Amino acid sequence: QKEVEQDPGPLSVPEGAIVSLNCTYSNSAFQYFMWYRQYSRKGPELLMYTYSSGNKEDGRFTAQVDKSSKYISLFIRDSQPSDSATYLCAMSMSNSGYALNFGKGTSLLVTP
Amino acid sequence: IAGITQAPTSQILAAGRRMTLRCTQDMRHNAMYWYRQDLGLGLRLIHYSNTAGTTGKGEVPDGYSVSRANTDDFPLTLASAVPSQTSVYFCASSPGASNFEQFFGPGTRLTVL
Repeated sequence: QKEVEQDPGPLSVPEGAIVSLNCTYSNSAFQYFMWYRQYSRKGPELLMYTYSSGNKEDGRFTAQVDKSSKYISLFIRDSQPSDSATYLCAMSMSNSGYALNFGKGTSLLVTP
Repeated sequence: IAGITQAPTSQILAAGRRMTLRCTQDMRHNAMYWYRQDLGLGLRLIHYSNTAGTTGKGEVPDGYSVSRANTDDFPLTLASAVPSQTSVYFCASSPGASNFEQFFGPGTRLTVL
């Protein structure tokens, strides 16, 4: 079983919808949690970064971490066609040089 | 523009050949990483370096080697390429210390025939 699980989708929503993307993990040693956005044939781009349970908001994006349930989420409000991309969750811990363990990514399509 | 550069952008390579993928960052980040991305498998860590002069193995290190002679450069070498090394390779860096956000380069698309 992979340490980080993420539904690959694809997920298709109409413009303006609220999008919910989720990951679960099995290793309680993970300390830092990140969400990346990756457009086709581009490198991953860091969207959100958090190291504690709770919510963190940045514009239309909200990252949520529940360490007790080993569950993280990314919410996108007022979704736009430009949000169409693959979203990757990632997490790290101190005893691996803080290297990232990635989910496989969820493909999101926002239709006009 | 500050960031990470990778070269080449893409490469087709005959099996058995030696290949070095280059990665340079100008952000003075302490830590650097190499990942490969494959369809259905996601991003997997090959090697990492927490600071110049040190390296460590990731999830899939076999067939790859790295060096970290200075802060800015972190080349990845395939000593004798095999078709299973066909992938997209991403280099990343992070400040280290108390800041572990990782920033990625544009990637190198490698095909081994």
